[in-house]
Amino acid sequence: DPKIIQKPKYLVAVTGSEKILICEQYLGHNAMYWYRQSAKKPLEFMFSYSYQKLMDNQTASSRFQPQSSKKNHLDLQITALKPDDSATYFCASSQGGTNQNTLYFGAGTRLSVL
Amino acid sequence: GDSVTQTEGQVALSEEDFLTIHCNYSASGYPALFWYVQYPGEGPQFLFRASRDKEKGSSRGFEATYDKGTTSFHLRKASVQESDSAVYYCALGDGNTGKLIFGLGTTLQVQP
Repeated sequence: DPKIIQKPKYLVAVTGSEKILICEQYLGHNAMYWYRQSAKKPLEFMFSYSYQKLMDNQTASSRFQPQSSKKNHLDLQITALKPDDSATYFCASSQGGTNQNTLYFGAGTRLSVL
Repeated sequence: GDSVTQTEGQVALSEEDFLTIHCNYSASGYPALFWYVQYPGEGPQFLFRASRDKEKGSSRGFEATYDKGTTSFHLRKASVQESDSAVYYCALGDGNTGKLIFGLGTTLQVQP
């Protein structure tokens, strides 16, 4: 069974709309991340959260907002969608804490913006 | 800032060939170094890691040795199989935030 669940697997949206990408992890981890993968920039880091607090944000646009309602959840809300937002979005998690831990990834949500 | 460079964008081999994918990094201190593999339609999978100079990481016949002198962590496998065809990513860890910084990836295609 997958330990990191991302929903939906595929998502089609129209320009200007808003979508939420869901991520839940069942690894007991304390840190969660979002990455984006496109043809232009493979595996680009977006956000990291540790114990539900934002640790790092490399996303220039405020249209991307992570939401952590529970320790094992880190959803990604994207507003005012643009065709350039089309990519696969990966959620990941790690143990967290002071050491550099291994990240484990979900299967991704492939977003297409028309 | 910290960065990872993978020299080869694509590698084409035949089964039982020797594989080398080059990875060089730029960072201060001793970042942890990682290799991940990604199959079509899936997320990146952790292959192995190394955290200090001269440490060797290995898994599934793949191996790499952390070399601080040459700032490298080259991936090697003695005899590749068709099932090894995938995209391979080298990454370094940002100890402050826990995130990984990835290289651009190397697509390996193995012909039977």
